[in-house]
Amino acid sequence: KNQVEQSPQSLIILEGKNCTLQCNYTVSPFSNLRWYKQDTGRGPVSLTIMTFSENTKSNGRYTATLDADTKQSSLHITASQLSDSASYICVVSMNTGFQKLVFGTGTRLLVSP
Amino acid sequence: EAQVTQNPRYLITVTGKKLTVTCSQNMNHEYMSWYRQDPGLGLRQIYYSMNVEVTDKGDVPEGYKVSRKEKRNFPLILESPSPNQTSLYFCASSAAFNSYNEQFFGPGTRLTVL
Repeated sequence: KNQVEQSPQSLIILEGKNCTLQCNYTVSPFSNLRWYKQDTGRGPVSLTIMTFSENTKSNGRYTATLDADTKQSSLHITASQLSDSASYICVVSMNTGFQKLVFGTGTRLLVSP
Repeated sequence: EAQVTQNPRYLITVTGKKLTVTCSQNMNHEYMSWYRQDPGLGLRQIYYSMNVEVTDKGDVPEGYKVSRKEKRNFPLILESPSPNQTSLYFCASSAAFNSYNEQFFGPGTRLTVL
C-alpha cells in the first residue's frame, strides 16, 4: 500500500533552535518528494522538491534530505523563527506519467518565543 | 499576482442543500484538482482535470461532481451534501499533469454540513 508517514505528529521548540522532521514512505514507483509548508488557514506551499538522485536540497533555512534506499526524508529547520509555526507536509509523487500524489498527515510545528 | 482563488472561504449549510464551491486560477494551468483535508488524514484527492472537458475521479469522488468548461475554472459541486462531507477543501493547479510540476493550492474552503 502506498503510504507516507511523518513524525513527530507535533513539536514545540523555542525560537532560535533547530529541529528535524521525518518522513518515511512506501510509495512505488517513486518520482519525487516534496515538502510543503501549510500555515494555519492557508493552502500548502512547496518548500523543496527532490528526485531519486538528489540527497540534499536547501531553501534558505530549510534543508531537505532524501535517502532513496531506505525511503526516508527529513526536513531540517535552522535557527527557527516564529513564522516557522505551521504544518509541514511530506508529499511523494508516483511515477505514473501523470500527477498522482500521496500525502503525509503532516507535522504541526509550534515555535515558541 | 499568480494565484488560485476559491469561494466561499467558509460555508455552513444543511443536509441536502446543493452547493457549489468555485475555483479559479490565473496561471493558464492545464491541470486542476480538488482535495479534502480531514484531521488525522492527509489530503485526499476528490477529482482532477487534465484539461478542458477532461475530468476524472480521484480517491474519494463519492458525493461530488466537477466540471471544466473553461481552462481557468474548476467548480466543485455537492448535489446533496451530507455531514460526512464536512471538511476543509483545497483546489490546486499545475502547469501540466506530469509528476514534476508543482501544484499551487488555493486558500481553502471550510465547509460544515449540519
